[in-house]
Amino acid sequence: NAGVTQTPKFRVLKTGQSMTLLCAQDMNHEYMYWYRQDPGMGLRLIHYSVGEGTTAKGEVPDGYNVSRLKKQNFLLGLESAAPSQTSVYFCASSWAPGGGSPYEQYFGPGTRLTVT
Amino acid sequence: SQQGEEDPQALSIQEGENATMNCSYKTSINNLQWYRQNSGRGLVHLILIRSNEREKHSGRLRVTLDTSKKSSSLLITASRAADTASYFCATGSLQGAQKLVFGQGTRLTINP
Repeated sequence: NAGVTQTPKFRVLKTGQSMTLLCAQDMNHEYMYWYRQDPGMGLRLIHYSVGEGTTAKGEVPDGYNVSRLKKQNFLLGLESAAPSQTSVYFCASSWAPGGGSPYEQYFGPGTRLTVT
Repeated sequence: SQQGEEDPQALSIQEGENATMNCSYKTSINNLQWYRQNSGRGLVHLILIRSNEREKHSGRLRVTLDTSKKSSSLLITASRAADTASYFCATGSLQGAQKLVFGQGTRLTINP
């Protein structure tokens, strides 16, 4: 099992450029999440998905879009990158034992994005 | 907004000593989780404690939860150099998607 993988690992963008971050999980998890982590801070939720074909906004969704066309993949898009989006982005997945609320989350290694 | 506030922000101890980190939160929770992050890496789940539990152990880790004070503590006993990392608490609600809210973390350094 690879667990949760993210591509790319590093990226530098110019202001106004667009890009897509890919998250893939091989654990058949229903729930997937995108977070950003800024220096000296904890993680903040950008968007999340409770299943294939569904997405919802988290705490800091502005400037980002997401798609979950396949259960194993969760894509995060930046349509017009801004310097304020310079951050480390983490994807996570989770499952719900017995169909209840999910518990622990499994994280990918992160994507370090710099917008100049 | 960040629900959890962790204390201290940084902790430096000698190998073999115990390390204690604290987390306070503001709203009702379903569970509280602790994660570890090594420098430049993703987060790794350590332990989960439910709102109806008061204490939980996992190896050298001991977590307590006091819902009346809205606080939790993580104790690492007999610390090792490999325990050097940042530790985050995260609170989970009963909502369907389990949206975790993370604290700012405690940076733990174990000196050999």
